[in-house]
Amino acid sequence: DIQMTQSPSSLSASVGDRVTITCRASQGISNYLAWFQQTPGKAPKSLIYGASDLQSGVPSKFSGSGSGTDFTLTISSLQPEDSATYYCQQYNTYPYTFGQGTKLEI
Amino acid sequence: QVHLVESGGDVVQPGRSLRLSCAASGFTFSSYGMHWVRQAPGKGLEWVAVISYDGNNKYYADSVKGRFTVSRDNSKSTLYLQINSLRPEDTAVYYCAKGARILTLYYHYMDVWGKGTTVTVSS
Repeated sequence: DIQMTQSPSSLSASVGDRVTITCRASQGISNYLAWFQQTPGKAPKSLIYGASDLQSGVPSKFSGSGSGTDFTLTISSLQPEDSATYYCQQYNTYPYTFGQGTKLEI
Repeated sequence: QVHLVESGGDVVQPGRSLRLSCAASGFTFSSYGMHWVRQAPGKGLEWVAVISYDGNNKYYADSVKGRFTVSRDNSKSTLYLQINSLRPEDTAVYYCAKGARILTLYYHYMDVWGKGTTVTVSS
């Protein structure tokens, strides 16, 4: 199975800041990488697919990059509503696998 | 508008069985693969299973293989997850999610999720 490792596990930032979350795959997955946002008690929400394509309706403050094994999610102009846990997930090979999550506090 | 509604979650004893359902609307259900993903209390997301648009192909996580069965009824736009021999470690919120690519099981991320249904395994 492909292992997905996110860093950091948690981070704290201020309103207006920009943060970057890293996701590393244990083997190459091309650009078959998605990012999800989850707030407490809610279902995950799709943010980015194809490593860098924004899901419809997602604001442009979210951006993704990377290919192969190393990927990043960047969130700019942080607002309190961006407080959430963010997950990466590879969809190159079954079984699909998620990173362990990064908890962002604003 | 795409809508997924899970149901069937319950408090059950270890060793018992349960069937979860996911009712879909707002899209052509029979054209998309569908996934189950679970989340244990306070833990991260775990992909569980996927079924192709026509029901002919399925994949499972190793942790559930042999005990979980995914199926679908395209005439009812409904996805199912049969869970047998329940264990305490199966306690989780179970989400269904729609695959993003039409008529294929591969290279498709999950673009729409339901709100989930809770399964608690306890004696």
